[in-house]
Amino acid sequence: LAKTTQPISMDSYEGQEVNITCSHNNIATNDYITWYQQFPSQGPRFIIQGYKTKVTNEVASLFIPADRKSSTLSLPRVSLSDTAVYYCLVGGDNNAGNMLTFGGGTRLMVKP
Amino acid sequence: NAGVTQTPKFRVLKTGQSMTLLCAQDMNHEYMYWYRQDPGMGLRLIHYSVGEGTTAKGEVPDGYNVSRLKKQNFLLGLESAAPSQTSVYFCASSFYTGLAGGSYEQYFGPGTRLTVT
Repeated sequence: LAKTTQPISMDSYEGQEVNITCSHNNIATNDYITWYQQFPSQGPRFIIQGYKTKVTNEVASLFIPADRKSSTLSLPRVSLSDTAVYYCLVGGDNNAGNMLTFGGGTRLMVKP
Repeated sequence: NAGVTQTPKFRVLKTGQSMTLLCAQDMNHEYMYWYRQDPGMGLRLIHYSVGEGTTAKGEVPDGYNVSRLKKQNFLLGLESAAPSQTSVYFCASSFYTGLAGGSYEQYFGPGTRLTVT
């Protein structure tokens, strides 16, 4: 399973755009990149998934360069409720389950 | 749909006691997983199952056993609890994604907070 590296923490202010970058140099050809959000005392929640280029949904965008060795989660106009830990994961279905390895995550603090 | 539910929500055990954590999902998912999360850390995979009657070890399986007798249920057992097993345990489930382009989304339960004294 590919290892990921992301910043331990980030601070932002309400209304700003936040970009969290994740490094995954050993990503395999069949691997997808997935981001999860976790609030205190809750289980992680899926945010977005991508394979290459750009993916956008109603809450975030995911930018993946051509070499796929990194990815950037973009949260537009964050609010206080976006304060959470964000995990970048790389993996895929290798016929042995959709195994994911969670790293330490990025603790995002949104200030008023 | 209730999604993924976990029983119990909290539990305190003494060293050497045993217990079983129950995970249930009503989304007809093939895959189910058990993770543990220690304070300030990411989640670590304990065991997982790719279908009814099958289980496999994850990253930190020692001290735990699992069973998947029914597709919707995944049980995690601690035979002889140790203080090192004090943690929050999360169960998750997902669809089989054998075809490229499928979603790898895992759906997580609310967690069970276990303290072993």
